[in-house]
Amino acid sequence: EVQLVESGGGLVQPGGSLRLSCAASGFTFSNQWLTWVRQAPGKGLEWVANIKQDGSEKYYVDSVKGRFTISRDNAKNSLYLQMNSLRVEDTSVYYCVLGRIGLDYWGQGTLVTVSS
Amino acid sequence: DVVMTQSPLSLPVTLGQPASISCRSSQSLVYSDGNTYLNWFQQRPGQSPRRLIYKVFNRASGVPDRFSGSGSGTDFTLKISRVEAEDVGVYYCMQGTHWPLTFGGGTKVE
Repeated sequence: EVQLVESGGGLVQPGGSLRLSCAASGFTFSNQWLTWVRQAPGKGLEWVANIKQDGSEKYYVDSVKGRFTISRDNAKNSLYLQMNSLRVEDTSVYYCVLGRIGLDYWGQGTLVTVSS
Repeated sequence: DVVMTQSPLSLPVTLGQPASISCRSSQSLVYSDGNTYLNWFQQRPGQSPRRLIYKVFNRASGVPDRFSGSGSGTDFTLKISRVEAEDVGVYYCMQGTHWPLTFGGGTKVE
């Protein structure tokens, strides 16, 4: 059974940093693209970033470019999202998602709140 | 960016009756490989999104056959043949043909 478990969310002040993690199991981690998608409270879904199987390709939505970094550790079956220079508008539930386009399986999400 | 427009925003339904959601894209979603990367997701209250349909009409594993997807080019539809109580939630379409991936604004089925 595919499982994706996010952690690392919390309350942070504007300009601060957080690192999200996603622990994966139930599939061959190193064979899959992985994606972060976010959802602001009461709002719709927004694709944030994705990363190729070996980490050689990474893509970001324009609004987070230069501030967020996606990475992975295939030895630990883990996906990460380093978020710097956080803004109020980054407040969202962040989902770890299996896949690049199909977005086959989603984690339960971790809430990031950016507020002073 | 490709804009995905869903209608209606809210869809009151009657149990046992059919329901239909429309999704229109601002550009054709036919990719150079011939595939059309249009997915549908369901988000039940308090839950994470779940993929229902991929590449327009393919049901994901475990999805009941009362859900079906259709369409082409820029015009797509998700149909529920007979609504059940567990179908209440928000439905999103998403395109994966053009970068960046973009989602529709959602349709609340209630």
